[in-house]
Amino acid sequence: DAKTTQPPSMDCAEGRAANLPCNHSTISGNEYVYWYRQIHSQGPQYIIHGLKNNETNEMASLIITEDRKSSTLILPHATLRDTAVYYCIVRSGSNDYKLSFGAGTTVTVRA
Amino acid sequence: SQTIHQWPATLVQPVGSPLSLECTVEGTSNPNLYWYRQAAGRGLQLLFYSVGIGQISSEVPQNLSASRPQDRQFILSSKKLLLSDSGFYLCAWSVGGPLGEQFFGPGTRLTVL
Repeated sequence: DAKTTQPPSMDCAEGRAANLPCNHSTISGNEYVYWYRQIHSQGPQYIIHGLKNNETNEMASLIITEDRKSSTLILPHATLRDTAVYYCIVRSGSNDYKLSFGAGTTVTVRA
Repeated sequence: SQTIHQWPATLVQPVGSPLSLECTVEGTSNPNLYWYRQAAGRGLQLLFYSVGIGQISSEVPQNLSASRPQDRQFILSSKKLLLSDSGFYLCAWSVGGPLGEQFFGPGTRLTVL
């Protein structure tokens, strides 16, 4: 019962911005959008999360549409070390401790 | 600062043998603890989580079990491994409520032959 839809893969040039889309058309009012990434053979790493407003931290920016049905993760200056699988996850604010990882987007940053 | 340890890093076990994977967290108190599994070519799946000592919630029925004997120790066990238990096992921790950021360990790669 997938709550998010992401493209399976995308390429990005080193030094350029990488824009990763995510559709979550059935998101409800108390659900947050989280992004994690997993570099090969490592555990996932938290990137950012948001509810309604756009968010920015040292790793990335998260842009959420006004209707909250989609969002975009922006890596402002992609490096080779950003090559990873990126997961967009919708989480409820209720008693839900689970992170439901889908297939994610495999991002390959090329020199 | 907080750190999470998992061991062993890799493990090869025969079918039918027992399993014990250990996870410990340092630098925090009363963490929420999680066991995830990633089978080959598949996404991560939550197996168990614990919000306190002796409190275990199971997400997926299977031949695995989890225990939390101490505040910062989480153990994943099996009495008899199946071929389908092969995968990458990840322990994670968080603090606070359900929406807390989860921090993952380095993982244990288990191969059941």
